[in-house]
Amino acid sequence: GAVVSQHPSRVICKSGTSVKIECRSLDFQATTMFWYRQFPKQSLMLMATSNEGSKATYEQGVEKDKFLINHASLTLSTLTVTSAHPEDSSFYICSASGGRGLAGYNEQFFGPGTRLTVL
Amino acid sequence: QQQVKQSPQSLIVQKGGIPIINCAYENTAFDYFPWYQQFPGKGPALLIAIRPDVSEKKEGRFTISFNKSAKQFSLHIMDSQPGDSATYFCAASRDDYKLSFGAGTTVTVRA
Repeated sequence: GAVVSQHPSRVICKSGTSVKIECRSLDFQATTMFWYRQFPKQSLMLMATSNEGSKATYEQGVEKDKFLINHASLTLSTLTVTSAHPEDSSFYICSASGGRGLAGYNEQFFGPGTRLTVL
Repeated sequence: QQQVKQSPQSLIVQKGGIPIINCAYENTAFDYFPWYQQFPGKGPALLIAIRPDVSEKKEGRFTISFNKSAKQFSLHIMDSQPGDSATYFCAASRDDYKLSFGAGTTVTVRA
C-alpha cells in the first residue's frame, strides 16, 4: 500500500511557540491531504482539507489563523500550530489521497501521527 | 454532530471468537464505507471498505455486512487473535471525499 510519513513523531514545546508538522506521501502523488486531530480515547476529528496549490478548507470551529496549512507540492503538506497553548496538546494525524485506485476507491492513506505536547 | 454512530464502545472476546462492531448512518448520500484499525500511538490503517451496491464483502478474516435499507453496516472479525486487539473505526463518505468517523470500538482479544 501507499506510504505516508509524518515528522516529527513527537514534539514538546513551550506555550506561545509555533510548531510545524510535515506530512509526506512517499510513493505516490497526493492531490488531496487531510489533517485530523485525535484526543485520547476519542475519534478522529477532521480539521482541514488541502489540495495541492490551493488554500486549505477548514472545518467549522477550526481557527485557520492558528492552524496554518500549506500544500505546496503533490508530496508534502505542512501543519503549523501557531502560538501553541496547552489545550492544543493532541495527536495530529494526516492522510493523503491520490485519486481512485484499482478498487475504484479514492482511498485515504494515513500517516503515523504526531504527538504534540505544549507545556 | 456525529454522522456515524458506532457501538459498542468496547468489547472483550476470547481468542477464536468473533467480535462484531456495528455502525449506523443517516445521510443516504454516503456511498463509501471503510473500516480502519488503529493501534495505540499509531495512525489508522484501512482494513476493508464497501460500497452500498453489495451486501457483504470479505477480506481475509474481516467481513463487512451492509444493510442499505436499515442504513447499517457491521464488521466481523473471524477467528480473532490477540494481535487483533486494537481500536476499530467505521467511517462513511460521499464521493470518496471527506470521511465521517464513528466514535471507535476498543477490541480486546484474550489468549
